[in-house]
Amino acid sequence: ETGVTQTPRHLVMGMTNKKSLKCEQHLGHNAMYWYKQSAKKPLELMFVYSLEERVENNSVPSRFSPECPNSSHLFLHLHTLQPEDSALYLCASSRGLAGDRYTGELFFGEGSRLTVL
Amino acid sequence: EDQVTQSPEALRLQEGESSSLNCSYTVSGLRGLFWYRQDPGKGPEFLFTLYSAGEEKEKERLKATLTKKESFLHITAPKPEDSATYLCAVLGTGANNLFFGTGTRLTVIP
Repeated sequence: ETGVTQTPRHLVMGMTNKKSLKCEQHLGHNAMYWYKQSAKKPLELMFVYSLEERVENNSVPSRFSPECPNSSHLFLHLHTLQPEDSALYLCASSRGLAGDRYTGELFFGEGSRLTVL
Repeated sequence: EDQVTQSPEALRLQEGESSSLNCSYTVSGLRGLFWYRQDPGKGPEFLFTLYSAGEEKEKERLKATLTKKESFLHITAPKPEDSATYLCAVLGTGANNLFFGTGTRLTVIP
């Protein structure tokens, strides 16, 4: 199994739909992250979980709602999105706790390409 | 505020033509500088961590170096399979997460 698995790989949704992105890590890591990647922009951190506790929420609109039921799974619930939310959403994990020396050594999934019509 | 600037934005090299990518940074207390490689349609893949000025790391045709203001990723005799976007990121004091640059898109032509 790959280290970090994201599903679905591609998602098209209307502005009134509700959908969820799923991430699962098989590395035994303790920290998990959601990033947004848009063309010509730096990777943008959205949420950080450390031992299932949210430790960072980077002023993300409430139409994005994260959930971390255990240290291996991370979800991003989407509702009432806007076309500008179309992007590649990347999940990552790191060993140790968020903010420690391993924080920079992230293991990314392949991403979920989201298109909002 | 932490800032990372990568240059050039895009680079085309002939196979075997060595070159360097630049990552200039401003951060309040550098805890680490990180290089990643990202292939089209995939997530970034971790390459190197550099912790202090003067440090160097190597992996196959890649060598990363670090000064107090910038990092270079040197590519020696590149091959077409080295084509990718290379991302630089920094971790500052007290931060829970990385601050990324916009990347350099490298194309190596056979």
